[in-house]
Amino acid sequence: DTGVSQDPRHKITKRGQNVTFRCDPISEHNRLYWYRQTLGQGPEFLTYFQNEAQLEKSRLLSDRFSAERPKGSFSTLEIQRTEQGDSAMYLCASSFSVPSYNEQFFGPGTRLTVL
Amino acid sequence: DQQVKQNSPSLSVQEGRISILNCDYTNSMFDYFLWYKKYPAEGPTFLISISSIKDKNEDGRFTVFLNKSAKHLSLHIVPSQPGDSAVYFCAASATQGGSEKLVFGKGTKLTVNP
Repeated sequence: DTGVSQDPRHKITKRGQNVTFRCDPISEHNRLYWYRQTLGQGPEFLTYFQNEAQLEKSRLLSDRFSAERPKGSFSTLEIQRTEQGDSAMYLCASSFSVPSYNEQFFGPGTRLTVL
Repeated sequence: DQQVKQNSPSLSVQEGRISILNCDYTNSMFDYFLWYKKYPAEGPTFLISISSIKDKNEDGRFTVFLNKSAKHLSLHIVPSQPGDSAVYFCAASATQGGSEKLVFGKGTKLTVNP
């Protein structure tokens, strides 16, 4: 399977704990995105990388959230001191960087539940 | 501030008929539009896209129409099949504005009845 993969698929944690999610993009893609989706809403943009550079961050990405893509391949999203409001599906997507082309391909997501 | 709006939360059609899903946007900087399909417990699957320099794009049973003056796009599925039953999301981006993020609507749940 050469699609976007995410690990873990599900995570249950207690409030106040730290969690880390991993995303492996499609190998040829140099752009990687993180989105968050809550019930009844569409995905909301969090941040994106081109190669290893983090080029855009949403205001949704509070200080408790940090994302990295150290070698321009896989990425991690860490949430520190989780809160119940962090419960959501966290989606990763990847794409080529081609002018006027923005087709992003999504992974299966990591569902986070904060108790 | 909902920049991409899908005003119909749900749509039900008969197998073999046409499904029309609608989407409106408010940001005139948007120049690239996409439709995604999502099944429960899976990530969104890309369906079809259209650049603002076009008004129509077709791929098999799926056609997207863009009306820039009305800031409106629609997805036509014909003929509809039971396997098309899913939530459909409209998304937009402002690629010329230097932002690569996709802005999504809330989705429309399509049910195709056999």
